[in-house]
Amino acid sequence: KQEVTQIPAALSVPEGENLVLNCSFTDSAIYNLQWFRQDPGKGLTSLLLIQSSQREQTSGRLNASLDKSSGRSTLYIAASQPGDSATYLCAVYSAGNMLTFGGGTRLMVKP
Amino acid sequence: KAGVTQTPRYLIKTRGQQVTLSCSPISGHRSVSWYQQTPGQGLQFLFEYFSETQRNKGNFPGRFSGRQFSNSRSEMNVSTLELGDSALYLCASSLEAGPDTQYFGPGTRLTVL
Repeated sequence: KQEVTQIPAALSVPEGENLVLNCSFTDSAIYNLQWFRQDPGKGLTSLLLIQSSQREQTSGRLNASLDKSSGRSTLYIAASQPGDSATYLCAVYSAGNMLTFGGGTRLMVKP
Repeated sequence: KAGVTQTPRYLIKTRGQQVTLSCSPISGHRSVSWYQQTPGQGLQFLFEYFSETQRNKGNFPGRFSGRQFSNSRSEMNVSTLELGDSALYLCASSLEAGPDTQYFGPGTRLTVL
């Protein structure tokens, strides 16, 4: 059974810092990996999707990497801003569109 | 293009009742998946539908069921509600059967009293 773990569970940083969020999964036989953002009480916003054949994806200040063999993904956020404060979730596709989610990292960026 | 819409947004029910939640996917999307989010268990997969057929099902009791219509709209039903069913229920749609980028709706907040 696939298990996804995110470390740290919570993170507080001053504005402007670069930061890395970690995601690990137990079964390397994944199809894709997707990073999401969730604001309190809201749905999920897709940030980046990395296909299993890719090593990384970039969108603006976000960069996500994937190492299937080691079962790890990282989300790098450059020059963090208060508006980046949210919970970040990683999820792996194991079959069809079935996603297995990590517990999330709650990020607070202080002005 | 309009995003995924879910109705109702908030719902209060009592134990033993049943509830039906609705999800309209992004126009042109044919796959719809449902997830339950609780503080204790996080996000858990319920089921996935594609072209009116259930493709995958998560580890939930038979009280949880769903269906998809020919226009790709989907409904999920929970019968004999329990207190533990209180959660945010999220629907996601994607263009194809998968794996394909998932786009989530705002969710339905269900409270069971």
